[in-house]
Order: sequence, then structure tokens, then C-alpha cells
Amino acid sequence: EPEVTQTPSHQVTQMGQEVILRCVPISNHLYFYWYRQILGQKVEFLVSFYNNEISEKSEIFDDQFSVERPDGSNFTLKIRSTKLEDSAMYFCASKQGVLYEQYFGPGTRLTVT
Amino acid sequence: EDQVTQSPEALRLQEGESSSLNCSYTVSGLRGLFWYRQDPGKGPEFLFTLYSAGEEKEKERLKATLTKKESFLHITAPKPEDSATYLCAVREIQGAQKLVFGQGTRLTINP
Repeated sequence: EPEVTQTPSHQVTQMGQEVILRCVPISNHLYFYWYRQILGQKVEFLVSFYNNEISEKSEIFDDQFSVERPDGSNFTLKIRSTKLEDSAMYFCASKQGVLYEQYFGPGTRLTVT
Repeated sequence: EDQVTQSPEALRLQEGESSSLNCSYTVSGLRGLFWYRQDPGKGPEFLFTLYSAGEEKEKERLKATLTKKESFLHITAPKPEDSATYLCAVREIQGAQKLVFGQGTRLTINP
């Protein structure tokens, strides 16, 4: 069964460093998302991406964040200068079409020290 | 203001003891209510989508229902492997494609 994959599973970085989180969405899906979940809190929307551009972003997704689909299979989230408060689980999700459900990856645990 | 509120926060049941989880929502126009299961340290796993009041969906021991203000996830004769956090999320007509999640109900089934 097709699934969303994410790498790495755990990333430790120092404050101020840049990180790139990688995702491979399900192959025939057209809509892509990043969410995050701080320990013990709700899953929060960051950004949605369709037709090679951002379609919606939250207040969290400021100038320190960027997304890219560099080729036909990968979808990346870059944090330019990490802060302690960026420590969280980051989930990638994808869906086939407008009215379809989103499928989530297993997540990348980001720890900023 | 919370758009999606789940109750209870945590629920502990004995194996075989049926119960229901609640998800209340306040959105201007619902374009879908979604139930997910999340195991510790893992990503949300899709369970159901409901679109209109009166709709019901079933899968094994789980049944989801929807009214104009809330959704219920009924668990019949649960087993220990049903232990997980159950997340409810909504998609608004105005909110484009994003999902807005509740805080989840942590369900524990004791053998």
C-alpha cells in the first residue's frame, strides 16, 4: 500500500542552524502539506502546496520557513535559522484531489538545542 | 477561540467495554470532518471522512457519526490494540485545504 515517507526520523540541530526536512508523498497525489506537533499539543497546519506554489500558509510559517518540490517525487521543508521553539514533530501529508483525505507520513522529530 | 474540541481528554476502558468519543466543532461552513488514529511517536492514520449531518461510517469496531455541531466516534467491544490517541479534524469551506485538529482523546483499553 502506498505511503508517505519522511527523512530523517530524528534530527538534532543547534539553534541558528538551517535544517531541511524531506518527504516523499504518495506518487499520484497532487496536494502537499506540512504540519507540526509540539509535544503534548495539537497538530498544527503550516503550509499547503499545489501546482508548484504555496496555496495557503499559517501565521507560524514566517520568512524562516520555505517549501520546495525540487523534482517529481520529493517535497521539502526548510527552516533557515532554527529556534528552540521549533522543536517539534513535523508531519508531511499528501492527498489525491480536492475532496480527498490527507495521508500523513511518520514524522520527523526535530530537536533544537 | 477553539474550533475543534474533543472530550474526554483521556479515557480508560476495560476490554469489551463500549464507549463514545466526542468532537465538537464551530466552523462557518463544514467541508469535511475527519477522524484519525495516532499511535505514540507516529503520524496520524486516516480512519473516516464525514461530510453532512446524519452521515455514518463504520470500520471494524469503530463507527463515526456526524451532526451539525458534533461528531461521535463509537467504539464497540474494544480490544487492547485499539489503544491510541484519536484525533478529530475539520476542513472549512473558507479554509481552503488545511485541516484544523482537536487536541485528541487518549484511549487506553485494559485487557
